Amino acid sequence: DIQMTQSPSSLSASVGDRVTITCRASQDISNYLAWYQQKPGRVPRVLIYGASTVQSGVPARFSGSGSGTEFILTISSLQPEDVATYYCQKYDNALALTFGGGTKVEIK
Amino acid sequence: QLQLQESGPGLVKPSETLSLTCTVSGGSITSVEHFWGWIRQPPGKGLEWIGSVYYRGNTYYNPSLESRITISVDTLRNHFSLTLTSLTAADTAMYYCARRGSDLLAYMDVWGKGTMVYVSS
Repeated sequence: DIQMTQSPSSLSASVGDRVTITCRASQDISNYLAWYQQKPGRVPRVLIYGASTVQSGVPARFSGSGSGTEFILTISSLQPEDVATYYCQKYDNALALTFGGGTKVEIK
Repeated sequence: QLQLQESGPGLVKPSETLSLTCTVSGGSITSVEHFWGWIRQPPGKGLEWIGSVYYRGNTYYNPSLESRITISVDTLRNHFSLTLTSLTAADTAMYYCARRGSDLLAYMDVWGKGTMVYVSS
């Protein structure tokens, strides 16, 4: 089974800071990776798919990069409304749509 | 606008079977481009993919749950269902249904609001 490992598990940053979250796959998944945002008490929503394509309606400060086994979600300028837990998910195999463990983002 | 709505019991006893339904509105479950699935999230924990179904009945299950789950689709009622057997407290979670695409679009783009299920005697 391919494992998805996110780091860090939590972070605290100031408004306006650049924030990066890393997701590593234990095997090559090409660019079959999505990033989701889940605000407290809310339903997850997709931010990025195909590793780097920003979903319609998502603020431009969110971006994704990477391929193969290492992927990065970047928030270019952290805003208070970005407080959430972020999950990566691989979807290269319909039998294993595995999520990462999540990264909790807070405001310092 | 496509919407998904989960329904089912909020409380189930250990060893019993959970049955949940996800009703699709604003679109057809027979879309050739989409699959329909379930995801769960225990309180305070991360997301776990349970499984998916295609409108023709093809199913894809998380290997860790495969022995206990069945996902089926009802095209006439435009809904799909999850059955989870032999429940334990570890199955207590928020259960979401979601739509996903195929190939490079196989991410979950539309989610239901979720239904909380407690397993307790």
